Amino acid sequence: RKEVEQDPGPFNVPEGATVAFNCTYSNSASQSFFWYRQDCRKEPKLLMSVYSSGNEDGRFTAQLNRASQYISLLIRDSKLSDSATYLCVVNQGGKLIFGQGTELSVKP
Amino acid sequence: DGGITQSPKYLFRKEGQNVTLSCEQNLNHDAMYWYRQDPGQGLRLIYYSQIVNDFQKGDIAEGYSVSREKKESFPLTVTSAQKNPTAFYLCASIPVRGTEAFFGQGTRLTVV
Repeated sequence: RKEVEQDPGPFNVPEGATVAFNCTYSNSASQSFFWYRQDCRKEPKLLMSVYSSGNEDGRFTAQLNRASQYISLLIRDSKLSDSATYLCVVNQGGKLIFGQGTELSVKP
Repeated sequence: DGGITQSPKYLFRKEGQNVTLSCEQNLNHDAMYWYRQDPGQGLRLIYYSQIVNDFQKGDIAEGYSVSREKKESFPLTVTSAQKNPTAFYLCASIPVRGTEAFFGQGTRLTVV
């Protein structure tokens, strides 16, 4: 079993749609969690940290469920500019582990 | 400006040659990381270092070596033992455990 697993993509959605990405992690001792965005042939950029209480930043909402070892990212009212690969990241005692990424394509 | 600098951006090498990728940060971050990314795939951890003069293997360390003699620098050597070295290599750093990782712009290595 992979340490961090994400939904396989790609996700193809129309503008304005709501899309959800899911990620599971295997090590219950994992300490912190993040969602990164990566555009084609570029380095990843932080989208959001993920907290147990859940957090929201505009159209983006991240949730963490420690009991189920699961994190999620919800994007509402998708824009063309949201097209990218979304990476789930888990910090296990200083070891940063990335999921394989889920590609999102938002169409007009 | 503070940040992470990877150099060069593009690198071409002949098969069988060792090559060293540079990663320098002036953010005073403690931990540094090297990842490899192949087309259409996620980032796989090669090596990481949480303190000077110490480093740990990641998931795909075979064929790679690193050093951490200075806090600011974490060079990665791709040796001839690495079977498929052509890839996009990313360096990252974080200030303390559990906080956001900052990335360099990456080095695209092509071995011919």
